[in-house]
Amino acid sequence: DTEVTQTPKHLVMGMTNKKSLKCEQHMGHRAMYWYKQKAKKPPELMFVYSYEKLSINESVPSRFSPECPNSSLLNLHLHALQPEDSALYLCASSHYLHNGQGIDGYTFGSGTRLTVV
Amino acid sequence: DAKTTQPTSMDCAEGRAANLPCNHSTISGNEYVYWYRQIHSQGPQYIIHGLKNNETNEMASLIITEDRKSSTLILPHATLRDTAVYYCIVRRGSEKLVFGKGTKLTVNP
Repeated sequence: DTEVTQTPKHLVMGMTNKKSLKCEQHMGHRAMYWYKQKAKKPPELMFVYSYEKLSINESVPSRFSPECPNSSLLNLHLHALQPEDSALYLCASSHYLHNGQGIDGYTFGSGTRLTVV
Repeated sequence: DAKTTQPTSMDCAEGRAANLPCNHSTISGNEYVYWYRQIHSQGPQYIIHGLKNNETNEMASLIITEDRKSSTLILPHATLRDTAVYYCIVRRGSEKLVFGKGTKLTVNP
């Protein structure tokens, strides 16, 4: 299995709703990521998980809450979002190179297109 | 990680080679050049990467200048399905994969 699977593909939510985005990979990758992409812009990194622990939070508002319950799953919990949070949310994973030489093999999911109304 | 400069957009005729340039004049010796592409409404897809030698795989070729300050991604026989945004990224093995603005390649019939 060489894929990153994201669900749902599309999500419409109200500003008072609570919803979650899900990401799954079975490649044995121990680094997982959330990116946000607005229309006609490049993806922007939000969070990095390394060995199931949060290692980077790019100053993301607390209405976005990531969770990594195990090495194959990554969730993004959403609460009290604003219309400007409407975007494509991409999940990615990668593996650690041997001998501490860093990370490689980034694989992206197809994303969840989120609309906040 | 070093920054890159790419043209905003390019056009290519179907069946012809698409040559996408990237400038990375501040690249350091241990930084690799990576290329990704993003077809509309899909996640980014890895294409190829290299350090200083030219590289080729089933998708593309990567030509890196001897001084490593620039590179060119070559799609040898572009098809309509190659229409996408192409991102040139220079990075060490750090955790962050940071995307610049990329080049919007349009392959025309």
